[in-house]
Amino acid sequence: AQSVSQHNHHVILSEAASLELGCNYSYGGTVNLFWYVQYPGQHLQLLLKYFSGDPLVKGIKGFEAEFIKSKFSFNLRKPSVQWSDTAEYFCAVNPYSGGGADGLTFGKGTHLIIQP
Amino acid sequence: NAGVTQTPKFQVLKTGQSMTLQCAQDMNHEYMSWYRQDPGMGLRLIHYSVGAGITDQGEVPNGYNVSRSTTEDFPLRLLSAAPSQTSVYFCASSYRGQITEAFFGQGTRLTVV
Repeated sequence: AQSVSQHNHHVILSEAASLELGCNYSYGGTVNLFWYVQYPGQHLQLLLKYFSGDPLVKGIKGFEAEFIKSKFSFNLRKPSVQWSDTAEYFCAVNPYSGGGADGLTFGKGTHLIIQP
Repeated sequence: NAGVTQTPKFQVLKTGQSMTLQCAQDMNHEYMSWYRQDPGMGLRLIHYSVGAGITDQGEVPNGYNVSRSTTEDFPLRLLSAAPSQTSVYFCASSYRGQITEAFFGQGTRLTVV
């Protein structure tokens, strides 16, 4: 079975700092990769996704992620964070037919706090 | 568009009680699923469905039942609630296909006392 590991469970940064959240997965075949964000008290929203092609993907709100197949990694980055980026971030993979609701595997999440 | 709608948003149950968490989507998605979210555990798949009349178990199915009689609805049933089922429950739906993404409902916060 596949698994997803997020390296940092809690991250505290100051506004304007750069962000990188690590994500590694274990699965021998082709996967689709996602980062979701959950703002306090809200549901999950898709930040960005990778299915194929350019391994550097850009998402909403200035986030980007790079898929490195040889390292089984899909790290999330943002050059300059804002206070409004305070949230929980989840990396997820789906090795099946797509990124659909038939079996996403999530990491345990990273709680990001941005201090003004 | 309503998207994925979950009801109720909050619920408190006593141990042994039963209840159904409702999930409906208006996007004509084939796939639907239920996840539970616990602190430090991320989201874990409970049950999923790839179409009306078809359901399957996920990672943590024990204590939960599902059925899919229509494309739109995918209710989650707790037959005899236990404190270990205290969690936040999310329903998700998606199209079938290689390139697709899951859309999540707002969640149901369930407390079992």
